[in-house]
Amino acid sequence: QQQVKQSPQSLIVQKGGISIINCAYENTAFDYFPWYQQFPGKGPALLIAIRPDVSEKKEGRFTISFNKSAKQFSLHIMDSQPGDSATYFCAHSGAGSYQLTFGKGTKLSVIP
Amino acid sequence: DAGVIQSPRHEVTEMGQEVTLRCKPISGHDYLFWYRQTMMRGLELLIYFNNNVPIDDSGMPEDRFSAKMPNASFSTLKIQPSEPRDSAVYFCASSLRRNNSPLHFGNGTRLTVT
Repeated sequence: QQQVKQSPQSLIVQKGGISIINCAYENTAFDYFPWYQQFPGKGPALLIAIRPDVSEKKEGRFTISFNKSAKQFSLHIMDSQPGDSATYFCAHSGAGSYQLTFGKGTKLSVIP
Repeated sequence: DAGVIQSPRHEVTEMGQEVTLRCKPISGHDYLFWYRQTMMRGLELLIYFNNNVPIDDSGMPEDRFSAKMPNASFSTLKIQPSEPRDSAVYFCASSLRRNNSPLHFGNGTRLTVT
């Protein structure tokens, strides 16, 4: 499985601040880039996803930015809230593939 | 919709014992995936099925691991014999039959092998 490199491993942000998580991938054949959110004791759940034909996708306070030439994509959480405290995983899959390869996760803590 | 159901939630066993993890996917989903999560390696895909047929088991770490899907509503992941390094959280996930459909994960089985 081709790697997707995620950083940082952990992140502490003040309430109301911006959380930024970055991922880098290797293979330009990948064409689907989702982010999953995981709370303790739960399985990951899809948060937001993007395809490489757009550079940005926004859903509420969550935005994915995509840089195809740099083979990087990032998640921005605006106005971060304590309820956003969770582990976030980036992932990718190739054209026609049903397999997702996940990054190692970023543990986000939003402090009041 | 009850979501993906996994059992047991926690399993503690001794090295050498057989362990069976169970999964009930969401009704109507054609794909079923088994993942393993550890601090060191993150989420690793072990095997996935399409319409009850194993498609790719290249992630299964050793012959001690086996998975079956006898029907559309049930799958098992078996480890025999279990070893301490198998300790992890094992997730089952299912998805619809279309490209890039979201994965719906269960809440996992936390396995501890002593």
